[in-house]
Amino acid sequence: NAGVTQTPKFQVLKTGQSMTLQCAQDMNHEYMSWYRQDPGMGLRLIHYSVGAGITDQGEVPNGYNVSRSTTEDFPLRLLSAAPSQTSVYFCASSYWGGNTEAFFGQGTRLTVV
Amino acid sequence: AQKVTQAQTEISVVEKEDVTLDCVYETRDTTYYLFWYKQPPSGELVFLIRRNSFDEQNEISGRYSWNFQKSTSSFNFTITASQVVDSAVYFCALSEGYSGGGADGLTFGKGTHLIIQP
Repeated sequence: NAGVTQTPKFQVLKTGQSMTLQCAQDMNHEYMSWYRQDPGMGLRLIHYSVGAGITDQGEVPNGYNVSRSTTEDFPLRLLSAAPSQTSVYFCASSYWGGNTEAFFGQGTRLTVV
Repeated sequence: AQKVTQAQTEISVVEKEDVTLDCVYETRDTTYYLFWYKQPPSGELVFLIRRNSFDEQNEISGRYSWNFQKSTSSFNFTITASQVVDSAVYFCALSEGYSGGGADGLTFGKGTHLIIQP
């Protein structure tokens, strides 16, 4: 059981480049989300999805796009990377309902130069 | 809006000491869930505990214990007889509403960096 898989693990981008961070889960979870972790800031929610075809913005959505065409995948797109997007990105998934917890991927360390 | 405060940015103790990590939360919902996650130096997030707002019982799991007090909006985490392997960043988090699973929106505190010295 792979759980939540994020690719790539590390990435360096130049300002203005675009890229997609991949996230896949094999637990048939309805809920998926993306967080960014910056030093001294904890984790902050970027976007989330409560099911295929449904997405919504979190606390810090600017500069990021998401889509959810399947239950398993929830990619995060940076359309025009900026140095302020240098961060560690975590994808998470969970079942609906209170008796569960979020499972996190291993993280993607992104540097924008 | 919900908020989680972990006032202790960094704590350093000597091995075998007991240590308590504080977590204070704010929410207007009557149904909510509180979590603790551990982030070791390797970087992954490890789930430790989930507590719903209707269950104020304290919980003990080995050397770990949690004290949930709605009257003070606190969900503190104590490690007894700390070990070097406990060194990590610990996050307290809040999820509002019945969904409570977390992946539709956890609010995290900024974390407490715990250093256990041998």
